[in-house]
Amino acid sequence: DAGVIQSPRHEVTEMGQEVTLRCKPISGHNSLFWYRQTMMRGLELLIYFNNNVPIDDSGMPEDRFSAKMPNASFSTLKIQPSEPRDSAVYFCASSPSPGGEQFFGPGTRLTVL
Amino acid sequence: GENVEQHPSTLSVQEGDSAVIKCTYSDSASNYFPWYKQELGKRPQLIIDIRSNVGEKKDQRIAVTLNKTAKHFSLHITETQPEDSAVYFCAASMGGYQKVTFGTGTKLQVIP
Repeated sequence: DAGVIQSPRHEVTEMGQEVTLRCKPISGHNSLFWYRQTMMRGLELLIYFNNNVPIDDSGMPEDRFSAKMPNASFSTLKIQPSEPRDSAVYFCASSPSPGGEQFFGPGTRLTVL
Repeated sequence: GENVEQHPSTLSVQEGDSAVIKCTYSDSASNYFPWYKQELGKRPQLIIDIRSNVGEKKDQRIAVTLNKTAKHFSLHITETQPEDSAVYFCAASMGGYQKVTFGTGTKLQVIP
């Protein structure tokens, strides 16, 4: 298996633009997580899904952020409109179950100018 | 929900010395405690984990200890090497359908 796949790896955009981050989890994993990592705030859990259903989105910072998982092999995290303070590395991770070992993707480095 | 605290936030040791990172958790129902290592510019990766039916686990130079009564667990790295320099995250989970909660991370620097 290729592991968790994220795209794009780098994204530079201007304030106000829509940003869509994509993730393909490891085949057979039932849980998918979206994290945001910054120097100031560390590693933050934004949302996680189990069997394609959002279980906990309490970490989503505000309504500008939304996440979907239309099927077991694909998830998106969307920011609309983007702001400079959204600049961070966004990781997607998958796991056989929510409480099990998590396998992280390579991350997407987002820069909002 | 679960709350995991991690100390210290930064740690510098001389090469060959030992390093210890400590974490506490709040929910006594937690029974799975993984540790992740994140090298600069890389993704976090699991390096060792321990379950509540075990008090200590070793893997070469790395060991984890768990004290369920006190609700704390620790990572011990012996004979540190420059390649051990990274950010280390502890985490706790009740397993099953409960999510893993991460600590805030410890930046370890091993000085050659």
